[in-house]
Amino acid sequence: AQKVTQAQTEISVVEKEDVTLDCVYETRDTTYYLFWYKQPPSGELVFLIRRNSFDEQNEISGRYSWNFQKSTSSFNFTITASQVVDSAVYFCALSGPQGAQKLVFGQGTRLTINP
Amino acid sequence: DVKVTQSSRYLVKRTGEKVFLECVQDMDHENMFWYRQDPGLGLRLIYFSYDVKMKEKGDIPEGYSVSREKKERFSLILESASTNQTSMYLCASSTPDRVSYEQYFGPGTRLTVT
Repeated sequence: AQKVTQAQTEISVVEKEDVTLDCVYETRDTTYYLFWYKQPPSGELVFLIRRNSFDEQNEISGRYSWNFQKSTSSFNFTITASQVVDSAVYFCALSGPQGAQKLVFGQGTRLTINP
Repeated sequence: DVKVTQSSRYLVKRTGEKVFLECVQDMDHENMFWYRQDPGLGLRLIYFSYDVKMKEKGDIPEGYSVSREKKERFSLILESASTNQTSMYLCASSTPDRVSYEQYFGPGTRLTVT
């Protein structure tokens, strides 16, 4: 069975600090996809990134970066120089070989950036 | 621009009422999903549909049913609402296209059953 664990329920930091959100997953599939979504206070989940199991390259997009390590079954998300607008609930998710069919979500991490 | 809309942002219903939650997408996506979101549990899949009139149970289908008569519309039905169905309900859609793969979400419906 697939499972995603986000052990950090809530994180609170001061603006401009770097923050890392942890994600650990379990799956028996050799081909799978990992996702991060952001849920701002408006409620709508916003897609941030997708990574497939054959691509372990880290990715950077502006202040956001993702570290995928198959050896530890982790897909961690780092925000550099955090801003108040980064405050949201962040979800890590996993799907099997067919991509976005039947996502399994983690519990979510509520990130608060204080001015 | 990609768009998934849900019929209500907030809904209050009484125990035993039949409740319809509507979701419409304008992206011509084949796949549509209904999730519920509860604190500490993340999002859990209730039902999904990969084509018109096709549906499959997700992880927590009990107490729910769905209807997909048109490609763009996916309805979630609570046959007899109960207080434990008070939750945030999120609809999503996606294409089986191997390039894109992500699900697009609506703004959610916060349902309270009293």
